[in-house]
Amino acid sequence: AQRVTQPEKLLSVFKGAPVELKCNYSYSGSPELFWYVQYSRQRLQLLLRHISRESIKGFTADLNKGETSFHLKKPFAQEEDSAMYYCALSGVSGGNKLVFGAGTILRVKS
Amino acid sequence: NAGVTQTPKFRVLKTGQSMTLLCAQDMNHEYMYWYRQDPGMGLRLIHYSVGEGTTAKGEVPDGYNVSRLKKQNFLLGLESAAPSQTSVYFCASSYGRLRLRDEQFFGPGTRLTVL
Repeated sequence: AQRVTQPEKLLSVFKGAPVELKCNYSYSGSPELFWYVQYSRQRLQLLLRHISRESIKGFTADLNKGETSFHLKKPFAQEEDSAMYYCALSGVSGGNKLVFGAGTILRVKS
Repeated sequence: NAGVTQTPKFRVLKTGQSMTLLCAQDMNHEYMYWYRQDPGMGLRLIHYSVGEGTTAKGEVPDGYNVSRLKKQNFLLGLESAAPSQTSVYFCASSYGRLRLRDEQFFGPGTRLTVL
């Protein structure tokens, strides 16, 4: 079974502090992992995916197959990073289906 | 391009009423999806479609039906609404077979309340 776990419902940090949003997954095959973000009054959108190995808006995420994790990190949080973040997994079954975690609200305080 | 659009944006139903949510995309995407978003549960897949005329069940399909008569449209129906179906519904689309496991593009959501 495919499962994505985001253990924190809310993460509150001060501006300039490092951020780490945790994501663990359960999947027996070779997964594709994503981070989606939903800013206030905006639609859900892709932030980054592990296969791209990019840094988007200062965020990075490394797939650790040994620990089955895909944590999202940013060295210095900004107020505009405040949003809901979802970790998602795509397996090899048909339909490009995504399994989402419960989401983590990131609040960056000034 | 409008991307993925959803109609309506808000709706209040009484228990037992029926309604249809419309999703449209103008990106010529092959695959389309319906999710519901509930607090503490993330997004859960209701139904999806891998092409015109095809549909399949997702994680939480009970109480919903879907149709994909045209490639650009994906309809979600509630035949007899229940309070447990109070949620925010999101439609999404992706390229499909040409770009497997690629990102999904989401609509703005429909907030449905069932009294």
